[in-house]
Amino acid sequence: SQQGEEDPQALSIQEGENATMNCSYKTSINNLQWYRQNSGRGLVHLILIRSNEREKHSGRLRVTLDTSKKSSSLLITASRAADTASYFCATVWLTAGNKLTFGGGTRVLVKP
Amino acid sequence: GAGVSQSPSNKVTEKGKDVELRCDPISGHTALYWYRQSLGQGLEFLIYFQGNSAPDKSGLPSDRFSAERTGGSVSTLTIQRTQQEDSAVYLCASSLGDRGVSPLHFGNGTRLTVT
Repeated sequence: SQQGEEDPQALSIQEGENATMNCSYKTSINNLQWYRQNSGRGLVHLILIRSNEREKHSGRLRVTLDTSKKSSSLLITASRAADTASYFCATVWLTAGNKLTFGGGTRVLVKP
Repeated sequence: GAGVSQSPSNKVTEKGKDVELRCDPISGHTALYWYRQSLGQGLEFLIYFQGNSAPDKSGLPSDRFSAERTGGSVSTLTIQRTQQEDSAVYLCASSLGDRGVSPLHFGNGTRLTVT
């Protein structure tokens, strides 16, 4: 079973707009990570937020973490066509062997 | 430096044949993961190696699937008697540490097609 679930499953926006996607998880974590995947191949790590952090920034990316609600959000500001990709959250499921498990992803389409 | 390398990049095989997928992790990375991704879907965890510890095989879908990691480096995922439902992209990733404290570095995957 999956630890994280992204919402929405798909998102279509115009270039320049912001894109927000959410991730919910089920059990206690020590950190949460966001990854991007282009064209169905390897994933690229974007940002890691630890369980004692509430917000983190990296360039045009902003990630929040609410451990009381077991949820995280990824915001991409001023989106570009090159941001078109699938975005996944991943968590270490502390009660299931410390392995990193992924959600189903959000497919983002940025229209020029 | 070199990233995670997977081979072959594409593999077409007939139903019932065995296949071997190879992963060369980044040198020095102690953790190695295998995931499977069907078209348009998320990543399904298969197996996790961490240093010299016993691997976590809890994600392997059947006993036709096995994996080994030799010398703490190269890993091979073997699928015996392939079935059409095994068709997917198989992704390998490595990282510096365990418990997910380090980001994963992914290879570009092996696209397996079982005809």
